[in-house]
Amino acid sequence: DAGVIQSPRHEVTEMGQEVTLRCKPISGHNSLFWYRQTMMRGLELLIYFNNNVPIDDSGMPEDRFSAKMPNASFSTLKIQPSEPRDSAVYFCASSLEGRGGDKREQFFGPGTRLTVL
Amino acid sequence: AQSVTQPDIHITVSEGASLELRCNYSYGATPYLFWYVQSPGQGLQLLLKYFSGDTLVQGIKGFEAEFKRSQSSFNLRKPSVHWSDAAEYFCAVGASGGYQKVTFGIGTKLQVIP
Repeated sequence: DAGVIQSPRHEVTEMGQEVTLRCKPISGHNSLFWYRQTMMRGLELLIYFNNNVPIDDSGMPEDRFSAKMPNASFSTLKIQPSEPRDSAVYFCASSLEGRGGDKREQFFGPGTRLTVL
Repeated sequence: AQSVTQPDIHITVSEGASLELRCNYSYGATPYLFWYVQSPGQGLQLLLKYFSGDTLVQGIKGFEAEFKRSQSSFNLRKPSVHWSDAAEYFCAVGASGGYQKVTFGIGTKLQVIP
């Protein structure tokens, strides 16, 4: 398995621009997570999907952030408009829950390093 | 709500020395506990996990951790550190019921000196 795939790996944009981050979870996993990592706040959960449905979006900072999961193999995190304080590394993770496997072990992608100028 | 405390932000050890990274958690029931490692520019990789059973858990790369309920701790240990162990280590706690929200600690950055 290729693991969790994220694109792009690096994104540099200017303030006010729309940014879209993409994630392909591990095939067969039914849960997907978006995290943001910064020096000041560490690793923060932004949103959690289970079976493509958003279950907990309490970590989404504000209305400028939105996430979708149109099918089991793809998710996007969009920031519109972007601001310099959004600069961070964004991780996507997936896991398998509720099927008798090692649930709650999350597999992380390599991350997208976002810089907003 | 669950929480995790990693009291040491930065630790420096000599190569070949033993290592212990501290982790304390707060959760009302039996938690799921994890240690992840992150190398520079990489995502997080699972080192080991505790769900139930034997409280001493063996992981990859020669790491182990011990769950101590009375101390609400899950410290990570390695008897002899290698230069390649230099990375950032994250302790995490997950709820044993409901959906699988996992809360991560702030991380401990490990530096290994020759």
